[in-house]
Amino acid sequence: RKEVEQDPGPFNVPEGATVAFNCTYSNSASQSFFWYRQDCRKEPKLLMSVYSSGNEDGRFTAQLNRASQYISLLIRDSKLSDSATYLCVVSSDSNYQLIWGAGTKLIIKP
Amino acid sequence: NAGVTQTPKFQVLKTGQSMTLQCAQDMNHEYMSWYRQDPGMGLRLIHYSVGAGITDQGEVPNGYNVSRSTTEDFPLRLLSAAPSQTSVYFCASSSWKGGGETQYFGPGTRLLVL
Repeated sequence: RKEVEQDPGPFNVPEGATVAFNCTYSNSASQSFFWYRQDCRKEPKLLMSVYSSGNEDGRFTAQLNRASQYISLLIRDSKLSDSATYLCVVSSDSNYQLIWGAGTKLIIKP
Repeated sequence: NAGVTQTPKFQVLKTGQSMTLQCAQDMNHEYMSWYRQDPGMGLRLIHYSVGAGITDQGEVPNGYNVSRSTTEDFPLRLLSAAPSQTSVYFCASSSWKGGGETQYFGPGTRLLVL
């Protein structure tokens, strides 16, 4: 089993729709969780950190479920510019290492 | 503020050749790391450093060496290139204090080994 698993997609979604991604992780000792965004042939960039209480940044909402060991990302009112690959990232139980999911590709259609 | 820079952007090597991928950051970050990204796989950690003079292995260190003589620079050396090392390489830095800090990435180096 991979340490961090994501549905690879692609998710083809009409503009304005709501889309949700899930990510599962295997290490119950993980303490830090993130969503990164990666545009085609570009470097990853932080979208948002994920906190136990959940957090929201504009149209984006992230949730953490420690009991079930999954993280979610919800995008509301999707825009064409949201088309990208979304990477789920979890800290390992050893110091200084992050474990990356393979990413979920999102395509927003007009 | 340049952030994280990487050179070269593209490189073609023949099997057995060696080369160094350069990475530099101007944010005074203690933590720097090298990843490789292959199709259908997540970023995999090659080596990382928590400060000048300190390096450690990540998930896939074989065939690569690193050194950290300054806070700013963290070069990655391929000792004897193999086709399996064809990949996109990203360098990242952060002010790591326990894992919750943003990773800032360079633009990547696309390497093809023939």
